[in-house]
Amino acid sequence: DTEVTQTPKHLVMGMTNKKSLKCEQHMGHRAMYWYKQKAKKPPELMFVYSYEKLSINESVPSRFSPECPNSSLLNLHLHALQPEDSALYLCASSQERSGPQHFGDGTRLSIL
Amino acid sequence: GQSLEQPSEVTAVEGAIVQINCTYQTSGFYGLSWYQQHDGGAPTFLSYNALDGLEETGRFSSFLSRSDSYGYLLLQELQMKDSASYFCAVRDSGTGGFKTIFGAGTRLFVKA
Repeated sequence: DTEVTQTPKHLVMGMTNKKSLKCEQHMGHRAMYWYKQKAKKPPELMFVYSYEKLSINESVPSRFSPECPNSSLLNLHLHALQPEDSALYLCASSQERSGPQHFGDGTRLSIL
Repeated sequence: GQSLEQPSEVTAVEGAIVQINCTYQTSGFYGLSWYQQHDGGAPTFLSYNALDGLEETGRFSSFLSRSDSYGYLLLQELQMKDSASYFCAVRDSGTGGFKTIFGAGTRLFVKA
């Protein structure tokens, strides 16, 4: 069990659908992250939130839209995704900017 | 730019000791982290070195030499369950330490 909870665990969607991925942590961490990971590759940073404000957007296409409603929650809204967006989407949090990151189990996303 | 290099694969026998090396090149440096990821699972934080020297956590140790831009992860008394991918990672201080850059990962195979 991880201290960062992601839902859903699996998601299959068509290219015209709209869906959201959710992430929750109750460790009091003030930095939260979204990563994308393809098979046999390292995690690739997408977004960083610090104190509920977006601090890094790694030139992610606008079909991915992050949201941080409060210090415990992080969402990733998906719209008009492409088949190449199929991947494992990982959420992580950390207490400090230089501290270790705690990852959720991820959402395995498949785009049809 | 920033880059990390680590071997793509390492094979060792149960009970042995294995060392996974990592060399890095970054514009700034906030420390070297190691993560373990089993197939189908999420990355799990193993260790972090901000200063030169050896950090020991149970069967795992990690070493850092900042002057050589080099670190390693040492796994002792290998067990079958240690078969996984191991990522070294550095923080990019250019963005205030928020951006983590992962190496490509080393797949460790432990044989009986």
